[in-house]
Amino acid sequence: KAGVTQTPRYLIKTRGQQVTLSCSPISGHRSVSWYQQTPGQGLQFLFEYFSETQRNKGNFPGRFSGRQFSNSRSEMNVSTLELGDSALYLCASSSRTSGGSYQETQYFGPGTRLLVL
Amino acid sequence: AQSVAQPEDQVNVAEGNPLTVKCTYSVSGNPYLFWYVQYPNRGLQFLLKYITGDNLVKGSYGFEAEFNKSQTSFHLKKPSALVSDSALYFCAVRDKVEYGNKLVFGAGTILRVKS
Repeated sequence: KAGVTQTPRYLIKTRGQQVTLSCSPISGHRSVSWYQQTPGQGLQFLFEYFSETQRNKGNFPGRFSGRQFSNSRSEMNVSTLELGDSALYLCASSSRTSGGSYQETQYFGPGTRLLVL
Repeated sequence: AQSVAQPEDQVNVAEGNPLTVKCTYSVSGNPYLFWYVQYPNRGLQFLLKYITGDNLVKGSYGFEAEFNKSQTSFHLKKPSALVSDSALYFCAVRDKVEYGNKLVFGAGTILRVKS
């Protein structure tokens, strides 16, 4: 099976712009989670989508949003970019079902590195 | 809240020697624990997980981890280190059930294996 894919891999934006990142999960996986990785804050959970519904959200401002499509592909959007949004954004998918026991492994994509100037 | 701690920022080991990367956890309820590895400019690669059962969990690339409930630890081990094992290692715990699939990560430990 192909792994989790993320596009684009690298992105340079300026403050105030907005950006959309894309994630395609492993075939058959319906749960997609997003994480932000920075040197200062480490790995932090952004949100999880399952069956096109946001199931959980981390402690990030409303500028960070996401969605999931019927084919389980997910996008995240960051509006009004700030310098501090520069980070590696990681997407992970798992085979969690609606009645899942949360034991399923999350498999990560290669990430999108965003630089805000 | 669920949390994990990786007390060492960096671990240095000679090639061929055993390695240990430490992780301690704090959870309410049953701990679901994971180890991931990250190579430069790459995403996270899953190594192994503890859900229940045997305290010694075997994973990818010869890695294993020992779950110790009394010491609330989940240390990653390998009997013989390779230079190619040099990378950033993360311990993670699944957050409470009501928080879905959220993983809480430790700060990470850099492993350097010298030839």
